[in-house]
Amino acid sequence: KQEVTQIPAALSVPEGENLVLNCSFTDSAIYNLQWFRQDPGKGLTSLLLIQSSQREQTSGRLNASLDKSSGRSTLYIAASQPGDSATYLCAVLSNSGTYKYIFGTGTRLKVLA
Amino acid sequence: GAVVSQHPSRVICKSGTSVKIECRSLDFQATTMFWYRQFPKQSLMLMATSNEGSKATYEQGVEKDKFLINHASLTLSTLTVTSAHPEDSSFYICSDRLAGTDTQYFGPGTRLTVL
Repeated sequence: KQEVTQIPAALSVPEGENLVLNCSFTDSAIYNLQWFRQDPGKGLTSLLLIQSSQREQTSGRLNASLDKSSGRSTLYIAASQPGDSATYLCAVLSNSGTYKYIFGTGTRLKVLA
Repeated sequence: GAVVSQHPSRVICKSGTSVKIECRSLDFQATTMFWYRQFPKQSLMLMATSNEGSKATYEQGVEKDKFLINHASLTLSTLTVTSAHPEDSSFYICSDRLAGTDTQYFGPGTRLTVL
C-alpha cells in the first residue's frame, strides 16, 4: 500500500531564506509525482509535475527533484517570500493496480516578513 | 493547465438534507473524473472514481449509497451527499483526467458544512 509522508509538518522561516520541503513514498511504482500549493480554505494549485522518467522540474523560484528508486522528492523554494505562505502537498500517482493520487499530509509553511 | 469548475463553492445545510455538488471539465471531455475529500488539517483522500456512462468505483470505506455519483456527460460529474450529517462536513474536491495522459486537473473545491 502506497504511503506518502511529508517532513516537516510545519515550518516557519524569515523572508529571503532558501528552504527545502521533503516528500517520501513507499512504493516506487508511480506514473508521476506532483507538488501542490493549498491556501487556507482553498483548492489546489499545481506547482510542478515530475514524470517518473524525469529527475527534476523547475518553475521560477521552485525546483522539484525526484529520486524514484529511493522514494523521495524535494521541493526547493529559493528566496522565500511572505506570499509563499501556504500548505504544500505532494502526491504520487500510483501505477500499481489502482490509478489514483495518494497525497501526503502536507507541510504548512509560514514565511515571516 | 486545464480548467475544472465546481459548484457551489460552499454550502451550509441542515442535518438530514441532501446536497449536490457539480464538477465540470471545461477544457476537454473527461471520461474519468475523481472525487476527493479533505477533513480539517488532513490530507486529501480519494473517495471514488467517476466513469462516464457507468457506475462509479468507490474506495474502501466510502458508502456508495450515501455518496451518489453521476457522470451523465463527458463534462459533468455530480456528487450527492444524501442525508448529510455533521460528520460529513468537509472539503470536497474533484479532478478530471485527460484521456491518454497521466495528468489530473483539480477543481477549486466545495466546502460543505452540515449543521
